[in-house]
Amino acid sequence: EDKVVQSPLSLVVHEGDTVTLNCSYEVTNFRSLLWYKQEKKAPTFLFMLTSSGIEKKSGRLSSILDKKELFSILNITATQTGDSAVYLCAVPTGTASKLTFGTGTRLQVTL
Amino acid sequence: GAVVSQHPSRVICKSGTSVKIECRSLDFQATTMFWYRQFPKQSLMLMATSNEGSKATYEQGVEKDKFLINHASLTLSTLTVTSAHPEDSSFYICSARDQQGTYNGQFFGPGTRLTVL
Repeated sequence: EDKVVQSPLSLVVHEGDTVTLNCSYEVTNFRSLLWYKQEKKAPTFLFMLTSSGIEKKSGRLSSILDKKELFSILNITATQTGDSAVYLCAVPTGTASKLTFGTGTRLQVTL
Repeated sequence: GAVVSQHPSRVICKSGTSVKIECRSLDFQATTMFWYRQFPKQSLMLMATSNEGSKATYEQGVEKDKFLINHASLTLSTLTVTSAHPEDSSFYICSARDQQGTYNGQFFGPGTRLTVL
């Protein structure tokens, strides 16, 4: 059975801190791993990772994939209160590429 | 990026009634759409895969007679929650894959919050 596990489940940090969110996976026929940010509504896309060791970066957010150890990390530097959200990791599985989601990490950034 | 809309964004209904939720891909064609359910403080759980012109594929534990899915065109899928009960109250989110398949993630709609009284 395909599985995606995220840690920690929740995290509270002060503004300006750096955080690292983890996602490990066990899937057959791996193609890619995706990170999403979810605030009050539906998830918004952050990154898609397909190759090991190549960092994807967007502003203060960055992510990298390790296909040998089957995990990915999402880093957020100099956190701001607007980064407070649930961060979801997902992997396309099956012939229809349905997404299997992890449980998410709930990040709260305080002043 | 591709846009997916959902309607309604919020619905409140009485127990025993049926509710229809629409999911539309606005600027691309989607042969495959997905319906997810999300309970408070939980992750998204896939309910079913909706295939244009054919029957939906339901995940284990999801009642196909209760959650009717119709994908009549390349831009529209509907989910009907029949005989809704309070335990069906949830956030329902649809997503769609770009037909060209160049991006193997999904574009999400804004979600529909269903409350059954």
